[in-house]
Amino acid sequence: EAQVTQNPRYLITVTGKKLTVTCSQNMNHEYMSWYRQDPGLGLRQIYYSMNVEVTDKGDVPEGYKVSRKEKRNFPLILESPSPNQTSLYFCASSLSLREMGGSTDTQYFGPGTRLTVL
Amino acid sequence: AQSVSQHNHHVILSEAASLELGCNYSYGGTVNLFWYVQYPGQHLQLLLKYFSGDPLVKGIKGFEAEFIKSKFSFNLRKPSVQWSDTAEYFCAVNARGGFKTIFGAGTRLFVKA
Repeated sequence: EAQVTQNPRYLITVTGKKLTVTCSQNMNHEYMSWYRQDPGLGLRQIYYSMNVEVTDKGDVPEGYKVSRKEKRNFPLILESPSPNQTSLYFCASSLSLREMGGSTDTQYFGPGTRLTVL
Repeated sequence: AQSVSQHNHHVILSEAASLELGCNYSYGGTVNLFWYVQYPGQHLQLLLKYFSGDPLVKGIKGFEAEFIKSKFSFNLRKPSVQWSDTAEYFCAVNARGGFKTIFGAGTRLFVKA
């Protein structure tokens, strides 16, 4: 089954304790992305990756790191989490449309990770 | 900077009522446009998308959207909603030549049975 998986699904942690949220897709998609969803703000893009070893900042990258060492995996790292990073996080993947000068097709989303930072 | 505006944050309708959710974006170039839906407890999934061609696009579950370039709009419509359409709806824009995606704030739709 084609899917995007995220782990963990729920996480409660304390300020400053480094954590990693994993994301994996089995659709051989080049493009992967991380979003956070907050009430009234919709989804905001944190980082995205156009291919292995190629990443770029979205609109809210502060306090987050990513890496793309393999095509299927795109972990999100919070080196020193703070309470304002309490949110619902989604990973997504998509085909890249290079024939359109670079753009994304339909994004397939993971189930979300609900993070609480105390 | 690109932005996406969804006019209604909460909409309450009775079954069989017609639905129109507004979406406007700010970007001067060519864009790919999407509507995604998040049903309670489920993943975000695609409703429909527009890249080029006929500006009236049809999606799943009877939804359609019309791209009006002069108004920078991509409004979502459904002639007759059902209780099962209760969900949150997101408009999203991806500018050609770039890989960023901007989402609107979302519209929560509640359909009364």
